[in-house]
Amino acid sequence: AQSVTQLGSHVSVSEGALVLLRCNYSSSVPPYLFWYVQYPNQGLQLLLKYTSAATLVKGINGFEAEFKKSETSFHLTKPSAHMSDAAEYFCAVSVFGNEKLTFGTGTRLTIIP
Amino acid sequence: GAGVSQTPSNKVTEKGKYVELRCDPISGHTALYWYRQSLGQGPEFLIYFQGTGAADDSGLPNDRFFAVRPEGSVSTLKIQRTERGDSAVYLCASSLTLASGRGYNEQFFGPGTRLTVL
Repeated sequence: AQSVTQLGSHVSVSEGALVLLRCNYSSSVPPYLFWYVQYPNQGLQLLLKYTSAATLVKGINGFEAEFKKSETSFHLTKPSAHMSDAAEYFCAVSVFGNEKLTFGTGTRLTIIP
Repeated sequence: GAGVSQTPSNKVTEKGKYVELRCDPISGHTALYWYRQSLGQGPEFLIYFQGTGAADDSGLPNDRFFAVRPEGSVSTLKIQRTERGDSAVYLCASSLTLASGRGYNEQFFGPGTRLTVL
């Protein structure tokens, strides 16, 4: 069975600072990995995905993530935080691209003006 | 174009009552997923349809939960004898048909139905 662990349920960064949200995965087979964002009272939106092509994946809104097999990690980064980035972020894994997603518990990102 | 829609957006019911939650997927999407998101948690998988049939219902917590998709489009999640622990946001997602091999089809999520069991 696959799983993801998100370290830090709450992260606060200053506007303009680096954003780093951590995700570690466990999977017995090469995984698909995803980052989703959830704004208040809205549905989940896909930020980016890893599907075994390039290990450095670029997504929307300036976010990117790097798949590191040796560390079983898929951390999400953004060089410069913006106030509009404040939201809940979820890391997810699936074994196949069309299968159910297994989500982490989420990280709430707060941006300090 | 229209995204995934879910109705109602909010549902308040009393313990022991029966509820139905509806999901309208994106037109042309043959795969449909239900997830449940409890407060402070990530979404948890409940059931997945490919067309009219449930391809994977391993996430349904017990036999009080049932889902149907009779015509391969709209789906209804049914909960019998609701309990306070069923209170959560129920999310629906849809995607294009199964991708083969290492293919991938994005799941598009609806806004969810917030269920409160008093």
